[in-house]
Amino acid sequence: KQEVTQIPAALSVPEGENLVLNCSFTDSAIYNLQWFRQDPGKGLTSLLLIQSSQREQTSGRLNASLDKSSGRSTLYIAASQPGDSATYLCAVSGNTGKLIFGQGTTLQVKP
Amino acid sequence: NAGVTQTPKFRILKIGQSMTLQCTQDMNHNYMYWYRQDPGMGLKLIYYSVGAGITDKGEVPNGYNVSRSTTEDFPLRLELAAPSQTSVYFCASSYIAGQLNSPLHFGNGTRLTVT
Repeated sequence: KQEVTQIPAALSVPEGENLVLNCSFTDSAIYNLQWFRQDPGKGLTSLLLIQSSQREQTSGRLNASLDKSSGRSTLYIAASQPGDSATYLCAVSGNTGKLIFGQGTTLQVKP
Repeated sequence: NAGVTQTPKFRILKIGQSMTLQCTQDMNHNYMYWYRQDPGMGLKLIYYSVGAGITDKGEVPNGYNVSRSTTEDFPLRLELAAPSQTSVYFCASSYIAGQLNSPLHFGNGTRLTVT
């Protein structure tokens, strides 16, 4: 059974700091991994999708890496801003098409 | 494009009542999902569908039923509502072809309270 873990559960940083969020999964036979952002009381927005054949994806100040063999992914946020404050979730998908989510990391960026 | 549309946004049910949460998408996605999100617990998959006429259980299917008569619609039925079903429910969709996925698109959620 696939299990996804995100560490830390919460993170508070000063504005401008670079930071890394971690995601680990127990079954390396994944087809892809996605990172999402969720604002309070809102739905989830897809940030980055990494296919199993890829090592990383970048979008603006965000960079996500994937190491299937070790069952790990990281989301790097450069030059953090207060607007980045949100909960970040990762999810993995295998051959069934089901996405299994981690519990998320709640990020607070202080001005 | 409207994307994924869920209705209602909020609902209060009494124990034992039933209701249907509606979900429709206009992106011609083949896969559709229902998740529930409890505080601090992440998202748990209830049911999913790989195409019209095909549904399958997720991690927490008990107390729920689904149907997928069209590509666009994927309603979630709650029979005999219980307090444990108090949660926020999200519908999502994606296009999957072999090992390639499009990003998952989410609706804005339905906040359900059972008292």
